[in-house]
Amino acid sequence: QQQVKQSPQSLIVQKGGISIINCAYENTAFDYFPWYQQFPGKGPALLIAIRPDVSEKKEGRFTISFNKSAKQFSLHIMDSQPGDSATYFCAGGTSYGKLTFGQGTILTVHP
Amino acid sequence: GAGVSQSPSNKVTEKGKDVELRCDPISGHTALYWYRQSLGQGLEFLIYFQGNSAPDKSGLPSDRFSAERTGGSVSTLTIQRTQQEDSAVYLCASSPEIRAGTDTQYFGPGTRLTVL
Repeated sequence: QQQVKQSPQSLIVQKGGISIINCAYENTAFDYFPWYQQFPGKGPALLIAIRPDVSEKKEGRFTISFNKSAKQFSLHIMDSQPGDSATYFCAGGTSYGKLTFGQGTILTVHP
Repeated sequence: GAGVSQSPSNKVTEKGKDVELRCDPISGHTALYWYRQSLGQGLEFLIYFQGNSAPDKSGLPSDRFSAERTGGSVSTLTIQRTQQEDSAVYLCASSPEIRAGTDTQYFGPGTRLTVL
């Protein structure tokens, strides 16, 4: 009930390409869906987040697409850069509970 | 301002020894979380402190793991009788309010624990 499933586990993209990471959740009570970015040796940091009342949120090159009926959401990174190479985690949460994280996706952007 | 700090950054110990990991959250943050990140794995929730409420210990993997938060600030995660499978990076995070599932969590750099 609390799981968040993330795919793919790893992703290799050429510079300038589009990176897409997908997540699916089971808990219909989730009302907050953040994405965290983690660089090697660092803790994760919030990248972008969405509430289920909108289907898309864009911040610069990063876009979250949200499909409430399918219980799925995805992160799109446009014009991917080598500096985007990191591990990305999706998560789901509610105001009264804790965040549940996906297993992570290791993104490598080749120059 | 200062972010979340953790100490030590690295800890090597022998199987069977006890270890203590420390977390200093961002000043004024009422919520504090501990996670474990094994090699190539996601963030495994361990325990969560929310203000003055009883902590949510539902993620602790065994009774060898315990944590406390003194004075609503610093937290210590203790692992007793360490096992090799305890080797991982232990991450601490804090958030400013008590809406735990919807607040931004600010993570520290982690403590890398190696059990020989």
